[in-house]
Amino acid sequence: DSGVTQTPKHLITATGQRVTLRCSPRSGDLSVYWYQQSLDQGLQFLIQYYNGEERAKGNILERFSAQQFPDLHSELNLSSLELGDSALYFCASSPPQGGAAGELFFGEGSRLTVL
Amino acid sequence: AQSVTQLGSHVSVSEGALVLLRCNYSSSVPPYLFWYVQYPNQGLQLLLKYTTGATLVKGINGFEAEFKKSETSFHLTKPSAHMSDAAEYFCAVTSNFGNEKLTFGTGTRLTIIP
Repeated sequence: DSGVTQTPKHLITATGQRVTLRCSPRSGDLSVYWYQQSLDQGLQFLIQYYNGEERAKGNILERFSAQQFPDLHSELNLSSLELGDSALYFCASSPPQGGAAGELFFGEGSRLTVL
Repeated sequence: AQSVTQLGSHVSVSEGALVLLRCNYSSSVPPYLFWYVQYPNQGLQLLLKYTTGATLVKGINGFEAEFKKSETSFHLTKPSAHMSDAAEYFCAVTSNFGNEKLTFGTGTRLTIIP
């Protein structure tokens, strides 16, 4: 158990819909990362938050948005869903600055299926 | 920008045989390199990492990797494969110490033949 909690574990929805994925980082971790894993694209970095502020942005579509709340949990919002958005979405957290460099602790992922 | 290339999307080895998973990196600054493992239906777990210092790093479950700057490589090895090693392995790179994002390779699926 990594200590990172993601909900829901599985989600099935239709094209055009909107979903919210939730992530609770490990206790004490300030950074949250979102990754998308699909068969054709592999693991793609979406976005990173650090203590409530956006730190880095990757290949995140405009239809997607994220935020990190004061209690440090994070939500990834996916809207106007398309078939190609079907993937496993991972959240990861990492220790505060000065901790284990680059070590990310991953949740078990949220599997999104768009029909 | 950094990137990693994993040679071989699928590798099969017999139980007890040597495991060798290849990773080459590209980075304009000194890299920090990682291997992560993903078991079925689970998230990724850190196997080992190289930041500075000794170029041969040991990780969990008997795995080790050697950072070779001249070859821009960070190959993962294990002397004797076990059935429980069957999983997907990802090499990753970042260039900064701290909370910078990792760039992952495309992964290598390791199958162990009984």
